[in-house]
Amino acid sequence: AQRVTQPEKLLSVFKGAPVELKCNYSYSGSPELFWYVQYSRQRLQLLLRHISRESIKGFTADLNKGETSFHLKKPFAQEEDSAMYYCALKATNYGGSQGNLIFGKGTKLSVKP
Amino acid sequence: DAGVIQSPRHEVTEMGQEVTLRCKLISGHNSLFWYRQTMMRGLELLIYFNNNVPIDDSGMPEDRFSAKMPNASFSTLKIQPSEPRDSAVYFCASSPGTGGPNTGELFFGEGSRLTVL
Repeated sequence: AQRVTQPEKLLSVFKGAPVELKCNYSYSGSPELFWYVQYSRQRLQLLLRHISRESIKGFTADLNKGETSFHLKKPFAQEEDSAMYYCALKATNYGGSQGNLIFGKGTKLSVKP
Repeated sequence: DAGVIQSPRHEVTEMGQEVTLRCKLISGHNSLFWYRQTMMRGLELLIYFNNNVPIDDSGMPEDRFSAKMPNASFSTLKIQPSEPRDSAVYFCASSPGTGGPNTGELFFGEGSRLTVL
């Protein structure tokens, strides 16, 4: 079964502290993974995708196939990072055409001053 | 581009009433997704379309839910009759075709918050 697990509902850190939001997935093929973010009163938007191997707003995420994980990390959290973060897996579907995303339940990150 | 546009933003209705949620895709996108968000279950896919054709509707809870895409830029999600357990935020998202720089990225609307009393 294709599944995304985010074990933490809420993560609270102080400004300047490192942050790691955990994501584990279950998928039999080669996964395509994403992190989406929803800031207060804004729409859900893409933060980063693993195939780009990029750093966005100081965040990085490395795909670990051995541990089936795609944890999101930032060395020094900022107050403006407070938001809801969703890990997502691109699902296989019929005929391999454009598929939907399977989302984890999300982790609310709170960065305190 | 204003992005994906959903209406209404908020809807409060009584059990048994019909509810219609609307979504306008980003111009040029050819995939359309309806998600439902609740505290208990997070974001769940209800149905998605590719080039106006429903590809996967296995997430639609039951026959009370139906979705249509009458043209390439517009979709509706209808609940009839509505029940209190349908209370949730319903998100619409669109996606461009494969092969481009945004392959796999979903562009979300602001959501429609539904409360069924």
